[in-house]
Amino acid sequence: DAGVIQSPRHEVTEMGQEVTLRCKPISGHDYLFWYRQTMMRGLELLIYFNNNVPIDDSGMPEDRFSAKMPNASFSTLKIQPSEPRDSAVYFCASSWQGPANEKLFFGSGTQLSVL
Amino acid sequence: EDKVVQSPLSLVVHEGDTVTLNCSYEVTNFRSLLWYKQEKKAPTFLFMLTSSGIEKKSGRLSSILDKKELSSILNITATQTGDSAIYLCAVGNYNTNAGKSTFGDGTTLTVKP
Repeated sequence: DAGVIQSPRHEVTEMGQEVTLRCKPISGHDYLFWYRQTMMRGLELLIYFNNNVPIDDSGMPEDRFSAKMPNASFSTLKIQPSEPRDSAVYFCASSWQGPANEKLFFGSGTQLSVL
Repeated sequence: EDKVVQSPLSLVVHEGDTVTLNCSYEVTNFRSLLWYKQEKKAPTFLFMLTSSGIEKKSGRLSSILDKKELSSILNITATQTGDSAIYLCAVGNYNTNAGKSTFGDGTTLTVKP
């Protein structure tokens, strides 16, 4: 399996622009998570899905952030409009439904820089 | 709110040294504690500890869960430069869906030749 695939690897944009991050989870995994990592706040859970349904979005910073999972193999995280404080590494992770499903498989992340 | 605290925040050692990383937690209805290694980018899974499996070992790495003290340690013996990474501790509880773990801030380990 190719693992969790994220794109793009790097994104540089200007304040006010729309940013879309993409994720393909591991085939057969039922959970998908979006995390954000910064030096100041560490690894924060933004939102997670189970069987394509958003379960908990309490970590989404504000209305500028939105996430979708239209099918089992694809999810997007959108920031509109972007701000410099959104600069961070955004990780997508997936896990299965069965035992030990706390174990997360992370993608390589998207390094976002908002100028 | 669940809380995970790791110590030290950073550590510098020389090859061949033994290191111990600490993780303490406050979690309602503890389910599991996981250790991840983060080199360059994506965290990768090391160990998962639960009430039924409080000690794990893989090569030079080992981890123990102390449910009484609400803590865990990660030991690395005979360290190598390739062990340089951020080590993350995460804790899950039964009150939330699996996978919604709370992460600590990590310990940055630097191993010098």
